[in-house]
Amino acid sequence: GNSVTQMEGPVTLSEEAFLTINCTYTATGYPSLFWYVQYPGEGLQLLLKATKADDKGSNKGFEATYRKETTSFHLEKGSVQVSDSAVYFCALSDRDSGYSTLTFGKGTMLLVSP
Amino acid sequence: DAGITQSPRHKVTETGTPVTLRCHQTENHRYMYWYRQDPGHGLRLIHYSYGVKDTDKGEVSDGYSVSRSKTEDFLLTLESATSSQTSVYFCAISASREEAFFGQGTRLTVV
Repeated sequence: GNSVTQMEGPVTLSEEAFLTINCTYTATGYPSLFWYVQYPGEGLQLLLKATKADDKGSNKGFEATYRKETTSFHLEKGSVQVSDSAVYFCALSDRDSGYSTLTFGKGTMLLVSP
Repeated sequence: DAGITQSPRHKVTETGTPVTLRCHQTENHRYMYWYRQDPGHGLRLIHYSYGVKDTDKGEVSDGYSVSRSKTEDFLLTLESATSSQTSVYFCAISASREEAFFGQGTRLTVV
């Protein structure tokens, strides 16, 4: 079956530091990959996505590259802000189906201090 | 923001009582999903729907049923609530196998 493993948190950084959150996956097919972000008390928002190998998803300064050879989709940002404090979820969707039943990692909390 | 409304947003209920959560969308998306979020587990799929009256089970479907009589509404029912069903429930919608859009969540407490 499908599974997603992401680094445990919390990840604690100072403002303007470099961020990496690791994500690796196991999939029977050829999945699409996503990063979602959840701010306190809110639902999940799509942050970025990649649908094929070597694709780079990017949004709001965050980037992640679909690495098929290492089955990874690590999230990076060059300079974090206090407003980036949130929980980040890596997820995949099964491309063999016609819909987006997502398999999620457990989430990584990011705390950014001024 | 995608037009997804979950109701109620918060609910406290007693063990053994039936509970229905509602998800309403204004996007006319074909696919709808119910997930639950628990500490240490991320989000797990309960049930999903790929059309009116077409539903299927997800990873953690025991104790839950769903119905979709209209494109815009997807109901999740706990027939007899248990403390293990205390959780935050999220509805999601998608137009295809690509990204899904999530509602604001319903916090359910079973006492």
